[in-house]
Amino acid sequence: KQEVTQIPAALSVPEGENLVLNCSFTDSAIYNLQWFRQDPGKGLTSLLLIQSSQREQTSGRLNASLDKSSGRSTLYIAASQPGDSATYLCAVTRAAGNKLTFGGGTRVLVKP
Amino acid sequence: GAGVSQTPSNKVTEKGKYVELRCDPISGHTALYWYRQSLGQGPEFLIYFQGTGAADDSGLPNDRFFAVRPEGSVSTLKIQRTERGDSAMYLCASRIRVNTGELFFGEGSRLTVL
Repeated sequence: KQEVTQIPAALSVPEGENLVLNCSFTDSAIYNLQWFRQDPGKGLTSLLLIQSSQREQTSGRLNASLDKSSGRSTLYIAASQPGDSATYLCAVTRAAGNKLTFGGGTRVLVKP
Repeated sequence: GAGVSQTPSNKVTEKGKYVELRCDPISGHTALYWYRQSLGQGPEFLIYFQGTGAADDSGLPNDRFFAVRPEGSVSTLKIQRTERGDSAMYLCASRIRVNTGELFFGEGSRLTVL
């Protein structure tokens, strides 16, 4: 059974500092990995999708890497801003299945 | 529509009542997913549809939960004899096809069972 872990569960940084968010998964036979942002009481917004054949994806200040063999992905957010404060979730789709399995999320607070 | 739409956004009900939650996916998306999220946790899979059929309902917690998608577009999650433990955010998501492309989520339906 695929398990996805995100550590730390919460993170607080001063504005301007780079954010590094970690995601690990137990079954490396994945189809893709997706990073989401969730604001309190809201739905999930897709940030980046990485296919299993890719090693990274970039969008603006966001960069996500994928190391399938070691079961890890890292989301980097450069020059953090207070508006980046949210919960960030990673989710993997197994190669043999079609549903996403989510981690518990990392709650980020960027202090002005 | 432009995005995934879920109604109602909030539902408060009493223990033992029947509840329906509706999801209207992005137009043209054939794959539709239901997830449940408790406070402070990641979403947990309930069921997904490819077209009209439930391709995987292994996440439904018990037979009080049921979902339909009769015309391959709008889906309804039905919960019978609600219990306090059913209180959660119910999230719907769609994508163009199973295992293809990004998954897009709605804003969720928050269910509170008193």
